Amino acid sequence: DARVTQTPRHKVTEMGQEVTMRCQPILGHNTVFWYRQTMMQGLELLAYFRNRAPLDDSGMPKDRFSAEMPDATLATLKIQPSEPRDSAVYFCASGLDYEQYFGPGTRLTVT
Amino acid sequence: AQTVTQSQPEMSVQEAETVTLSCTYDTSESDYYLFWYKQPPSRQMILVIRQEAYKQQNATENRFSVNFQKAAKSFSLKISDSQLGDAAMYFCAYRSLMSGNNLFFGTGTRLTVIP
Repeated sequence: DARVTQTPRHKVTEMGQEVTMRCQPILGHNTVFWYRQTMMQGLELLAYFRNRAPLDDSGMPKDRFSAEMPDATLATLKIQPSEPRDSAVYFCASGLDYEQYFGPGTRLTVT
Repeated sequence: AQTVTQSQPEMSVQEAETVTLSCTYDTSESDYYLFWYKQPPSRQMILVIRQEAYKQQNATENRFSVNFQKAAKSFSLKISDSQLGDAAMYFCAYRSLMSGNNLFFGTGTRLTVIP
């Protein structure tokens, strides 16, 4: 049963600290997405990759967020420095063709 | 940019009954995909059903079916024989075929199933 995995599932950190979230897409999927979910904004796209190349990161605050795919089995989303307004659930999703399958999310709390 | 509207923040249904969740969207494109995702308290986003815009036939997956009205840009989800496990947030989503693979989500409808 292929699934997208994300680590950590929960992260509590202090303002100013660096946060790295990791995602392992489903083997064979060629697109990877990062979404953020908050009560106020709902689900919003941060970045996505196709064949490991970044195609769109217009939803990301560039000064503090960065997304990479060092290889086909790992995608990372990094926040440096973190701020309280970054508190949210961050989802990774992978896909092939038109469907996307989501990971369980990382709940980030920045105090 | 495409917008997806779910006008019902909350809905409730009696167990074993049928409920319909509404979704409308705005687009100038003729080819696209539409999806319904379910998010239970575990937060996992689960794909429930998809519809290709070029298909006139409404998609069906077991107790879940859609009413796709392309001209009206409407895409409602019908859940038949509701079960307690259907209680969740339901998100309608749009995916363009022209401008990237990302999904545009509605704000969600929280469904409560009453025993």
